[in-house]
Amino acid sequence: SQWGEENLQALSIQEGEDVTMNCSYKTYTTVVHWYRQDSGRGPALIILIRSNEREKRSGRLRATLDTSSQSSSLSITAAQCEDTAVYFCATDVDYNQGKLIFGQGTKLSIKP
Amino acid sequence: GPKVLQIPSHQIIDMGQMVTLNCDPVSNHLYFYWYKQILGQQMEFLVNFYNGKVMEKSKLFKDQFSVERPDGSYFTLKIQPTALEDSAVYFCASSLGGARDTQYFGPGTRLLVL
Repeated sequence: SQWGEENLQALSIQEGEDVTMNCSYKTYTTVVHWYRQDSGRGPALIILIRSNEREKRSGRLRATLDTSSQSSSLSITAAQCEDTAVYFCATDVDYNQGKLIFGQGTKLSIKP
Repeated sequence: GPKVLQIPSHQIIDMGQMVTLNCDPVSNHLYFYWYKQILGQQMEFLVNFYNGKVMEKSKLFKDQFSVERPDGSYFTLKIQPTALEDSAVYFCASSLGGARDTQYFGPGTRLLVL
């Protein structure tokens, strides 16, 4: 498997709290994709972080990538109910021509 | 944003029959993918397709599976014959470039094999 430690399977927090989801991977990659998947829908890319970026922000989202430890994280600041979804990280190695290898995913629930 | 469409959204079929899943990718995209997701599990890569050819397929892409995109129309996944373990949600994706490019996913086709 591409993935080392298991991602959290389920996480529940209160609205307004911050949350961080982590993933680690085995095979060297230069890019990590973070997707969110709403119930009954396909995954949607929320952040794509490349090895030369180390950190990337998009609104309340912040992704980090540490290629030396082969790990990535996604943080959500001041979570809102609409952030409730499953979040996946996926790696994509150059020679695989776009083949995404997904992690287990984190089911995030935000309580009002 | 760019949208990928999938038809049908749901399909129920008897084991042994053939099924074709259709994907309408983003219009100018060149790379196409199928992924399989069993309920509650992670998304798994099946196959990618570029310039009329399969580039890579996973172990899940059994001999009963085939893909094609005739004349720039739908990108299809055909399963013939179907088996019980083929029950899953199948997601199509497309991207403009290959590796490291953003993939846009469709809403999925929920396939139930009885």
